[in-house]
Amino acid sequence: NAGVTQTPKFQVLKTGQSMTLQCAQDMNHNSMYWYRQDPGMGLRLIYYSASEGTTDKGEVPNGYNVSRLNKREFSLRLESAAPSQTSVYFCASSEGGGGSPLHFGNGTRLTVT
Amino acid sequence: SQQGEEDPQALSIQEGENATMNCSYKTSINNLQWYRQNSGRGLVHLILIRSNEREKHSGRLRVTLDTSKKSSSLLITASRAADTASYFCATDVSGGFKTIFGAGTRLFVKA
Repeated sequence: NAGVTQTPKFQVLKTGQSMTLQCAQDMNHNSMYWYRQDPGMGLRLIYYSASEGTTDKGEVPNGYNVSRLNKREFSLRLESAAPSQTSVYFCASSEGGGGSPLHFGNGTRLTVT
Repeated sequence: SQQGEEDPQALSIQEGENATMNCSYKTSINNLQWYRQNSGRGLVHLILIRSNEREKHSGRLRVTLDTSKKSSSLLITASRAADTASYFCATDVSGGFKTIFGAGTRLFVKA
């Protein structure tokens, strides 16, 4: 089983460029999440989707948009990339909320110059 | 702001020794989870302890939870070089979907 698959694995953008990070899960999970990980700061929640058709802001949503395309797929879009968005981005999924264990992809390493 | 704070930030031990990591949090929780992250990989769920539980075991892992002190500890017994990783605590606030992670403890186990 693939679990949670993220593409691309690496990306370099220039300031102002846009891009979409893709995420797909094959575990039939209801909920999906986007986190960013910066050195010394752990993971911070950007957006989440509790179920298909819903999305909500997390701790650090500014500069990002998301789309829950269907139950399997949850994408993260940077409309105008900034150097402050240089980070490692992780997608995760879970059966539901209430602290259900999260299953993570292996991340997308994004550099904005 | 971080809900969970791990201590120590980094820990280096010899293979066979026990490793203890601590996590403190700020607000009431429904449950607390521990995750492991190997270098360059995503996080892997290790164990979940609910707010009405005080101790839980899984293989070589032992987790304790003290809700009065708002703290948890993760003990890895008889550590192995393969345990080298970063360990994160994560808390579920108000039973919703916002699982909040601490900054992690980097564990290095020397063979």
